[in-house]
Amino acid sequence: DQQVKQNSPSLSVQEGRISILNCDYTNSMFDYFLWYKKYPAEGPTFLISISSIKDKNEDGRFTVFLNKSAKHLSLHIVPSQPGDSAVYFCAALRGGGSNYKLTFGKGTLLTVNP
Amino acid sequence: EPEVTQTPSHQVTQMGQEVILRCVPISNHLYFYWYRQILGQKVEFLVSFYNNEISEKSEIFDDQFSVERPDGSNFTLKIRSTKLEDSAMYFCASASAPRQYFGPGTRLTVL
Repeated sequence: DQQVKQNSPSLSVQEGRISILNCDYTNSMFDYFLWYKKYPAEGPTFLISISSIKDKNEDGRFTVFLNKSAKHLSLHIVPSQPGDSAVYFCAALRGGGSNYKLTFGKGTLLTVNP
Repeated sequence: EPEVTQTPSHQVTQMGQEVILRCVPISNHLYFYWYRQILGQKVEFLVSFYNNEISEKSEIFDDQFSVERPDGSNFTLKIRSTKLEDSAMYFCASASAPRQYFGPGTRLTVL
């Protein structure tokens, strides 16, 4: 049951250009959406999040857009840098009370070419 | 920035043996989690723990798995009788709010 889907397993962009990573979800009850970045042999590192009541959140080079009607979110990285090359996971959270469980997508491998 | 730590970084075991994976969450966090990632697959939720009890567990988390917070700092995942398919990276995470902080992971190899 893929409640969070990242349909592009990989993406390649040139340094300095924009990277757009996409994510779709099926459960309208999710409260938050988060993006994590993961290097090989390391744990996921939090990048940016957005509440389900917002449609945009920006932090430096990273911006997340949420389209609730389409159940779609995207992460924009601009300008992209070679150090951004990693696997990016979209995650959704339905929480409150005693649990904040993350449901992850399968990830998108971003390669930024110098 | 405070971080979640995990030990060991790599554990090799024989099928059928018990393993204990250890985690030290961030000290003021209240929610604790275990996730795993089989090579080439997505990160999967195993279990969440709050107020000294399991708050949710996935289908993967069967009777062979257990979690404990034996003291104020450690959070452990025990696999009683390991199977080949338990080979994966196991990530511990802790949170005080929706944002979860992940440890570096333990690579479990079952032979």
